[in-house]
Amino acid sequence: DTAVSQTPKYLVTQMGNDKSIKCEQNLGHDTMYWYKQDSKKFLKIMFSYNNKELIINETVPNRFSPKSPDKAHLNLHINSLELGDSAVYFCASSQGGTERSSQHFGDGTRLSIL
Amino acid sequence: GDSVTQMEGPVTLSEEAFLTINCTYTATGYPSLFWYVQYPGEGLQLLLKATKADDKGSNKGFEATYRKETTSFHLEKGSVQVSDSAVYFCALGSGANSKLTFGKGITLSVRP
Repeated sequence: DTAVSQTPKYLVTQMGNDKSIKCEQNLGHDTMYWYKQDSKKFLKIMFSYNNKELIINETVPNRFSPKSPDKAHLNLHINSLELGDSAVYFCASSQGGTERSSQHFGDGTRLSIL
Repeated sequence: GDSVTQMEGPVTLSEEAFLTINCTYTATGYPSLFWYVQYPGEGLQLLLKATKADDKGSNKGFEATYRKETTSFHLEKGSVQVSDSAVYFCALGSGANSKLTFGKGITLSVRP
């Protein structure tokens, strides 16, 4: 049973296109996250939702729009893709809003912009 | 703001060697500290954690102790295996929103 699942695993597309990445968790967690991992493996948080409410929005271009239809899903839509968007995007989830939560990660979506 | 500094890599060791990966942090308040591991082609997995000063996290032979006086959370293992080859991330969790701040990660390669 996959705890945090992302689709697609690989996404290859051209500059200027619009694409979406989906994430679902079956852990019953109430908080979900999107992270971006660059080519040097550096991980940085992008967004976080708690019970469908946006609680973290780091400095991310507004071409990136997260959507949480329910607390088990957090999707990421990207408009007008640019070369610099090439990265691995990880979804994660955790229970509770305390600083002691441990996050569970999906296997990532590797986005390549041609 | 919060930050995590890891030693520069990559690190290459022979099987059964002793491993230390250094991690120091800067944070306001009382963060929780984590080590995550990323095996090739996979997502991150929580390896161990510590939630307060002097706590020791341990898992799969790895250990790390939360040292508030030196703001450190160094990862150690007495005898590494080839299967430990992966990227290791130190992270701190802070704030009511459980935001994780990661170090840059370090690649460990263990040769037979």
